[in-house]
Amino acid sequence: IAGITQAPTSQILAAGRRMTLRCTQDMRHNAMYWYRQDLGLGLRLIHYSNTAGTTGKGEVPDGYSVSRANTDDFPLTLASAVPSQTSVYFCASSPNEGEQFFGPGTRLTVL
Amino acid sequence: QKEVEQNSGPLSVPEGAIASLNCTYSDRGSQSFFWYRQYSGKSPELIMFIYSNGDKEDGRFTAQLNKASQYVSLLIRDSQPSDSATYLCAVKNGWRGSYIPTFGRGTSLIVHP
Repeated sequence: IAGITQAPTSQILAAGRRMTLRCTQDMRHNAMYWYRQDLGLGLRLIHYSNTAGTTGKGEVPDGYSVSRANTDDFPLTLASAVPSQTSVYFCASSPNEGEQFFGPGTRLTVL
Repeated sequence: QKEVEQNSGPLSVPEGAIASLNCTYSDRGSQSFFWYRQYSGKSPELIMFIYSNGDKEDGRFTAQLNKASQYVSLLIRDSQPSDSATYLCAVKNGWRGSYIPTFGRGTSLIVHP
């Protein structure tokens, strides 16, 4: 693979179900991020990780959790999905001071 | 609360004209400034970055930074219909070793033939 990938591309999920969005990068970037993008609200940071083994909360962390066991992977888990979590989710990575590289996104619908 | 403000638009310009996109930020400690382009249904992609006051040119794109006035702008010369997209401004300050960017909500640009 080259760059940053996300899976699944899209998902329809029943409310109350658990869901993990996957994100993998092969650029050896230290920092990784999860955003959600909703119409009119722009990109909102959910969680981030400055380096493997550390994570931090962003602007809208409630209902989401992340882990960073290694440099390449940064999964986002919705423990019990709710309809307000319907959104497009973008994973990104960056070499700290540099620009961010975004994955293709996951379109999630919670019914 | 760090803020990055952009006019949501849409900004409509004729083909061949100069499109001027503006962004203001509140954090005076900001060090890095980025412009991303996002086509509908796609992910953001980097257009330009700028770290120092002044102008930086790359092809048809020019980024302008004025730290004293806390604004950064993006000029697109000879605008093409393919430039129609949402442009996101992002700012980083590197505070305490954390390089979390703050994004504006984006400006929608429409270039009409």
